[in-house]
Amino acid sequence: GAGVSQSPSNKVTEKGKDVELRCDPISGHTALYWYRQRLGQGLEFLIYFQGNSAPDKSGLPSDRFSAERTGESVSTLTIQRTQQEDSAVYLCASSLAGTYTNEQFFGPGTRLTVL
Amino acid sequence: SQQGEEDPQALSIQEGENATMNCSYKTSINNLQWYRQNSGRGLVHLILIRSNEREKHSGRLRVTLDTSKKSSSLLITASRAADTASYFCATEGNTPLVFGKGTRLSVIA
Repeated sequence: GAGVSQSPSNKVTEKGKDVELRCDPISGHTALYWYRQRLGQGLEFLIYFQGNSAPDKSGLPSDRFSAERTGESVSTLTIQRTQQEDSAVYLCASSLAGTYTNEQFFGPGTRLTVL
Repeated sequence: SQQGEEDPQALSIQEGENATMNCSYKTSINNLQWYRQNSGRGLVHLILIRSNEREKHSGRLRVTLDTSKKSSSLLITASRAADTASYFCATEGNTPLVFGKGTRLSVIA
């Protein structure tokens, strides 16, 4: 079946604008994760969804970041009033169950550039 | 917090040689996972080793885990140019996976 998909693949925006990033997980995967990866760095955990609830939002860097998920389907990550420091690749992953012990399947990422 | 730190940061070897990457972490874990990333995009899961396991094999990959030293190693045998990528370890306990900064492996044909 299809893997995790993300859109757009690339996004260039001006400082101060809002952006919305989309993730379509693998069908049937109940858990969904968002990560941020700055150039040359490791992955930074942002938020985890189990179904449409978010039991762990501990990684969201500021109140400009928010995310929602519709049922066990698509998720959107919204960044308001973008700053240059928000430039990074935003990766989404999904896994079968609601624990952290399962293999995560990653999408190709959205490369965000804030000018 | 738990954190995997890979060592070395970068590794360059000739095709056919073995590549060894190490990962250290700070607190107790349930499992440790290794992922591979090409071209700064999505990661691919390679192997998971549980805290009660000491060694695991998958094809040309061999992973060891020493919980007393809080360390793991990933060995890629008979490397190929296609193995060129960044390799990340990720530790899991009762929190989301925590990824290190990765080891950048270059295999020269």
